Amino acid sequence: AQSVTQLDSHVSVSEGTPVLLRCNYSSSYSPSLFWYVQHPNKGLQLLLKYTSAATLVKGINGFEAEFKKSETSFHLTKPSAHMSDAAEYFCVLNTGGFKTIFGAGTRLFVKA
Amino acid sequence: ETGVTQSPTHLIKTRGQQVTLRCSSQSGHNTVSWYQQALGQGPQFIFQYYREEENGRGNFPPRFSGLQFPNYSSELNVNALELDDSALYLCASIPPEGMDGYTFGSGTRLTVV
Repeated sequence: AQSVTQLDSHVSVSEGTPVLLRCNYSSSYSPSLFWYVQHPNKGLQLLLKYTSAATLVKGINGFEAEFKKSETSFHLTKPSAHMSDAAEYFCVLNTGGFKTIFGAGTRLFVKA
Repeated sequence: ETGVTQSPTHLIKTRGQQVTLRCSSQSGHNTVSWYQQALGQGPQFIFQYYREEENGRGNFPPRFSGLQFPNYSSELNVNALELDDSALYLCASIPPEGMDGYTFGSGTRLTVV
């Protein structure tokens, strides 16, 4: 069965400190994995994607993620949080075609 | 602006009523998918349309139906509304190259009372 688990429902960091949002997946097929961000009253914006090329993926706004097959993980990181990073983040699994599975989301809070 | 427009932005309906939500996709994007996002949860896939035909469906009952039109617009129709249908409904406009280029609208917030 295909599934996505975001290990933290809420993460709180101080501005300027590193961000780590954790995502584990389960898939019988070679997965494509994505991170999306959702600001209040906005649609979902693609941050980055892994589609079986380089395992370290760089995205927009300084975010990056590393695909680790042995750990079935795809954690999202950023070296230094900014106030504008406060939002909901979704890890997304696609196993081909329209089969898109969203994680439950992680709310990131950034303290001044 | 993402180039994908959804209307209305907010809607309140009574249980048992019917509702139509609309999405205007980006030109050239011949695939659209719809998602339901309940409060505090991730989006759940409802269905997908490709060239005006449904080509994929999630775990939603038949009272959720859709239409896609040649002008890149689409509709989500929900009959016999239930309280649990209250959610944010998102459409995603998908270019020919597929998942790489999903563009989401800002959604329609539906409240069923």
